[in-house]
Amino acid sequence: ETGVTQSPTHLIKTRGQQVTLRCSSQSGHNTVSWYQQALGQGPQFIFQYYREEENGRGNFPPRFSGLQFPNYSSELNVNALELDDSALYLCASSLLGDEKLFFGSGTQLSVL
Amino acid sequence: GESVGLHLPTLSVQEGDNSIINCAYSNSASDYFIWYKQESGKGPQFIIDIRSNMDKRQGQRVTVLLNKTVKHLSLQIAATQPGDSAVYFCAEKLGGNAGNMLTFGGGTRLMVKP
Repeated sequence: ETGVTQSPTHLIKTRGQQVTLRCSSQSGHNTVSWYQQALGQGPQFIFQYYREEENGRGNFPPRFSGLQFPNYSSELNVNALELDDSALYLCASSLLGDEKLFFGSGTQLSVL
Repeated sequence: GESVGLHLPTLSVQEGDNSIINCAYSNSASDYFIWYKQESGKGPQFIIDIRSNMDKRQGQRVTVLLNKTVKHLSLQIAATQPGDSAVYFCAEKLGGNAGNMLTFGGGTRLMVKP
């Protein structure tokens, strides 16, 4: 059984740029969630995807968007990057209805 | 990887002692609670969970206690080991939430002294 994998592990961008982060769900999982973790804080829910549709969203602006693919892999896209977007971005997979999330190791994004 | 939780509350315990990490949750309508362990450079790792219709649940070396009256959750680790050093987060899920959205607390850093 493979775990949740994310790429890249680290990324440096400039304010105003766009970024795409990628995630492969754990085998057998059909739901993927994305979280943002600022330094020294707990993860904050961005959104969740099930059957390639967004089915829950946290308090994040529309410039945060996502995709889920038929093989349950996922992308997080952030447009018009701001300095405050610097954080660890975590992907988590699960089965719909099962609250237990399995997290990847995250992508550390730095916006300069 | 970058260190998580540079300014978190810290609990320092001696190896072999028991650890108790506390968490106050925010929403009385939450029906599911979970504890995660996060080591530096890694994502959160599941430890133990509990539903709101229970007040205690035990795992291997860990116990979670839930007090709904005061909206308090605790994680007890027996015979704490150096490998238990990490940041610990509690999280809650609102009842009726069709998705799996978890709301995380701020975290506690556990340091185990050999």
